[in-house]
Amino acid sequence: SQQGEEDPQALSIQEGENATMNCSYKTSINNLQWYRQNSGRGLVHLILIRSNEREKHSGRLRVTLDTSKKSSSLLITASRAADTASYFCATASGYSTLTFGKGTMLLVSP
Amino acid sequence: DTAVSQTPKYLVTQMGNDKSIKCEQNLGHDTMYWYKQDSKKFLKIMFSYNNKELIINETVPNRFSPKSPDKAHLNLHINSLELGDSAVYFCASSQDAGPSKLFFGSGTQLSVL
Repeated sequence: SQQGEEDPQALSIQEGENATMNCSYKTSINNLQWYRQNSGRGLVHLILIRSNEREKHSGRLRVTLDTSKKSSSLLITASRAADTASYFCATASGYSTLTFGKGTMLLVSP
Repeated sequence: DTAVSQTPKYLVTQMGNDKSIKCEQNLGHDTMYWYKQDSKKFLKIMFSYNNKELIINETVPNRFSPKSPDKAHLNLHINSLELGDSAVYFCASSQDAGPSKLFFGSGTQLSVL
């Protein structure tokens, strides 16, 4: 299975701090995606990074991908209480559908 | 306008009953999915339909039967519900069947008593 594994499982920080979550996977991928899930809601797509890309930005989000280490990281800068959610990485190889990890639960305290 | 909508949001039922969850997307996407999220938040794909045709059928008991009357709708019917079926079920859609980004519904929390 090339299921992504997020690390840490849970992260608690103060508003204004940066939050870093990591994802490791097992086989070669086509792309890697990050999703956010607020409590009681569906997942929302945040960012997609292709296997030939190393870094991508979207607002306060920065995603890196290291295919040699089969890992990715999601950095949220200047976090806000509204960033409190679970964050999932999802991987796909070839033309297959996405496989999700178990997520990192982020708590941002005011 | 909700892009992917599923109903009901909550479903509480007794063991042995049959229930259905409905899903509709207004994004014009070709592919729709059902995912199951367990109590540990692990999200696992169950089924995928592309233009009304079943393309992914993971190891799911045949008590679960998806039906896609058209490419905008994918319903999930569950027969003879068991305690272990309790979970949150998410419908999702994507533009095509490849590794595209997914748009999720808000989920149906199923509790089997």
